[in-house]
Amino acid sequence: SAVISQKPSRDICQRGTSLTIQCQVDSQVTMMFWYRQQPGQSLTLIATANQGSEATYESGFVIDKFPISRPNLTFSTLTVSNMSPEDSSIYLCSVPGQALYGYTFGSGTRLTVV
Amino acid sequence: AQTVTQSQPEMSVQEAETVTLSCTYDTSENNYYLFWYKQPPSRQMILVIRQEAYKQQNATENRFSVNFQKAAKSFSLKISDSQLGDTAMYFCAHPQGGSEKLVFGKGTKLTVNP
Repeated sequence: SAVISQKPSRDICQRGTSLTIQCQVDSQVTMMFWYRQQPGQSLTLIATANQGSEATYESGFVIDKFPISRPNLTFSTLTVSNMSPEDSSIYLCSVPGQALYGYTFGSGTRLTVV
Repeated sequence: AQTVTQSQPEMSVQEAETVTLSCTYDTSENNYYLFWYKQPPSRQMILVIRQEAYKQQNATENRFSVNFQKAAKSFSLKISDSQLGDTAMYFCAHPQGGSEKLVFGKGTKLTVNP
């Protein structure tokens, strides 16, 4: 299964600023997924990042707030823009593997907005 | 919308005993995959076990096994000989029909007591 390096692991940010989270995969993958996990909650899909095309956002998430880049088949970034305390969450990236191996997740970014 | 339901927000078990976590799901697909993920306090998402719907045999991985009831759309996880390291959040997940987007249940917080 793929190995994902996600950075940063945590950050504390001022409201109104932006943070960019990076995920690097050790193999080429067609799709990458970005999830948000609010405190004590489950994972909610933000968007699907496809190489060579615009990301596809889920209901309730917009590109202006969560712009995503996917410059190649091994890398993606998620930016959390104009942050407010409500954006304090864990953000995770994920890639689907062959069904035999399930999905692989990055180690997560714990974001605290103050 | 397809859903995954975990009806047990929290559970506890004594070390060395057996515990079962429940999960039901909704799908219109005939062939699909189901997953259980573990998230310890480190927040890393770890694949515990997977089940392919076309296989009638329940999946087993060491102390972890599932009871897959396709007609009832039920996918419970049994942990035998519970260990302190099993303490974590457990999420049931299922790819959204026709896509590779994972939909997660709300999770069950499992505590293994010494």
